[in-house]
Amino acid sequence: ETGVTQSPTHLIKTRGQQVTLRCSSQSGHNTVSWYQQALGQGPQFIFQYYREEENGRGNFPPRFSGLQFPNYSSELNVNALELDDSALYLCASSLAGLAGGPRETQYFGPGTRLLVL
Amino acid sequence: AQSVTQLGSHVSVSEGALVLLRCNYSSSVPPYLFWYVQYPNQGLQLLLKYTTGATLVKGINGFEAEFKKSETSFHLTKPSAHMSDAAEYFCAVIRSSNTGKLIFGQGTTLQVKP
Repeated sequence: ETGVTQSPTHLIKTRGQQVTLRCSSQSGHNTVSWYQQALGQGPQFIFQYYREEENGRGNFPPRFSGLQFPNYSSELNVNALELDDSALYLCASSLAGLAGGPRETQYFGPGTRLLVL
Repeated sequence: AQSVTQLGSHVSVSEGALVLLRCNYSSSVPPYLFWYVQYPNQGLQLLLKYTTGATLVKGINGFEAEFKKSETSFHLTKPSAHMSDAAEYFCAVIRSSNTGKLIFGQGTTLQVKP
């Protein structure tokens, strides 16, 4: 069974640039959630994708966007990068039922550490 | 609105001593509760979870937690700390809706002294 993988592991960008982070779900999982973890803080929910549709969004501006593909992998795109976007970005996959499954365990990848200069 | 409070951002114990990490939540509906552990430069690993049923939940690596609705608490314990337990621990809650939005506490750093 393959776990959740993320790429790249580290990334350095400058203010105003755009970035795309990638996530491959654990085998058999159909739901992907993205979180932002600033240094010394708990992860903050960005959004979740279920069956290629956004299924809930946290308090993040529209310049944070995402995609889920038919193979359930996912991308997180951030436009117009700001210094405060520097953080560890975590992807988590889970298996949800037809109506969504909040009780289903979310399995996290190792994260992508983004530094915005 | 839901929230999670972890009391103590830093806990230090001696090897072999009891580990107690505190978590209180606020939720207007029955929550689902989780504890995750994060080792340096790694993602989060699930230790244990409470959804329904037995309120004492056993997890990996000898950890357990008890859901106490009357106290709105979900404290994490381990009878005997090991050096390898040193890590960051996060308590999290999901409201029983169809959106799997995990709400995390600020985390507690566990230091284990030899």
